[in-house]
Amino acid sequence: GDSVTQMEGPVTLSEEAFLTINCTYTATGYPSLFWYVQYPGEGLQLLLKATKADDKGSNKGFEATYRKETTSFHLEKGSVQVSDSAVYFCALDSGGSNYKLTFGKGTLLTVNP
Amino acid sequence: GAVVSQHPSRVICKSGTSVKIECRSLDFQATTMFWYRQFPKQSLMLMATSNEGSKATYEQGVEKDKFLINHASLTLSTLTVTSAHPEDSSFYICSVLFPNYGYTFGSGTRLTVV
Repeated sequence: GDSVTQMEGPVTLSEEAFLTINCTYTATGYPSLFWYVQYPGEGLQLLLKATKADDKGSNKGFEATYRKETTSFHLEKGSVQVSDSAVYFCALDSGGSNYKLTFGKGTLLTVNP
Repeated sequence: GAVVSQHPSRVICKSGTSVKIECRSLDFQATTMFWYRQFPKQSLMLMATSNEGSKATYEQGVEKDKFLINHASLTLSTLTVTSAHPEDSSFYICSVLFPNYGYTFGSGTRLTVV
């Protein structure tokens, strides 16, 4: 079945540091890939997505590239801010008629001033 | 954009009572809604897929009689936790798949059973 393996946290960085959160996946077919962010006590917000190989999703300075050859979708940001502190989830949707998001375990990011 | 409203955001109930959580699609019709459960510091676990006008599809291991799902209209799905016990305490999140906006999540409900 589908699965998402995500770098375990927590990750603690200083402001303006470079961020990488690794994500690899196993899926049948050609999944769409997502990064969601969850702030404390809230639901999930879509951060970025990519729907096919070599696509790059980007938003708010975050980027991730859909790498089919390595089945990866690593999240990166060149300079993190305190406001980026949250839990980040990598997810996939295999598509087809059975709609279902499969999530990684989440990575807690804390950015210190 | 598409907005999903979930209510209540927090609820505390006594053991043995039932609690209803609502998930509303404010801007568009929602034929299909999803209910997730999230344990502390863990990922989201899909509990069931809620289809308007038909029975929900539950994931393996989820008790249908404990977690009752009703999707009676194109904008509302409800999750009722029946005879709640402390082990049902969790964060419950609903989601809607919109054709043009993808998956949109509610803000979640923190359930505490005492």
